[in-house]
Amino acid sequence: KQEVTQIPAALSVPEGENLVLNCSFTDSAIYNLQWFRQDPGKGLTSLLLIQSSQREQTSGRLNASLDKSSGRSTLYIAASQPGDSATYLCAVLQGGSEKLVFGKGTKLTVNP
Amino acid sequence: DAGVTQSPTHLIKTRGQQVTLRCSPKSGHDTVSWYQQALGQGPQFIFQYYEEEERQRGNFPDRFSGHQFPNYSSELNVNALLLGDSALYLCASSLWVGIAEYNEQFFGPGTRLTVL
Repeated sequence: KQEVTQIPAALSVPEGENLVLNCSFTDSAIYNLQWFRQDPGKGLTSLLLIQSSQREQTSGRLNASLDKSSGRSTLYIAASQPGDSATYLCAVLQGGSEKLVFGKGTKLTVNP
Repeated sequence: DAGVTQSPTHLIKTRGQQVTLRCSPKSGHDTVSWYQQALGQGPQFIFQYYEEEERQRGNFPDRFSGHQFPNYSSELNVNALLLGDSALYLCASSLWVGIAEYNEQFFGPGTRLTVL
C-alpha cells in the first residue's frame, strides 16, 4: 500500500528565506508526482507536475525534484513571501491506478 | 477558461439524510475524480468517472455513489449520512490522453459538508 509522508508538518520562516519541503513515498511504481497548494478551507491549486521519467520541474520561484528510486521529492521555494503562506501537499499517481495518494501536507507560514 | 466548479459551497445535513454534490470539470476535460478531505488530513480518493462509468473506486462504502453525465459533469451522492462524513469534498478533473504520466489533475474549490 502506497504511503506518502511530508516533513515537516509545519514550518515558519522569515520573509525572503529560501526553503525546502520534503515528500517521501514508499512505492516507487508511480506515474507522476504533483505538488499542490491549499489555502485554509479552499480547494487545491496545482503547482508542479513531475512525470516519473523526469528529475525536476521549475515554475517561477518554485523548483521540484523527483528521485523515484529513493522515493523522495523536494519542493524548493526561493525568496519566500508572506503570500506563500499555505499548506503544501504532495501526491503521487499510483502505477496501475487512477488515484492520487496524498501526504498530510506541510503548513508553511512566512512572516513579514 | 473556466476551471473546475463545484456546488454547493457549503451544506449542513443531519444524520441519516442523503446529499448530492455537483461538479463541472475544466473545459476540455473528460475525467472526474472525487476526494474526501477530513480536517488536518490529505484528500482520500473516493472514485473516478470516465465515459460515464466508474473506472476505479477507493476504500469507501456503497453509501457513496456517483454519476457522470454526457457533458462530463458529475454528481457525488452520499446516503445515510454519518457524523464522520463531515469533510471537504473535492472534485478533480483531467483529460485522458492515453499516457498516464501526463495525467494532471485540477481541483475545484470543494464543498464543505457538515453532518449534525
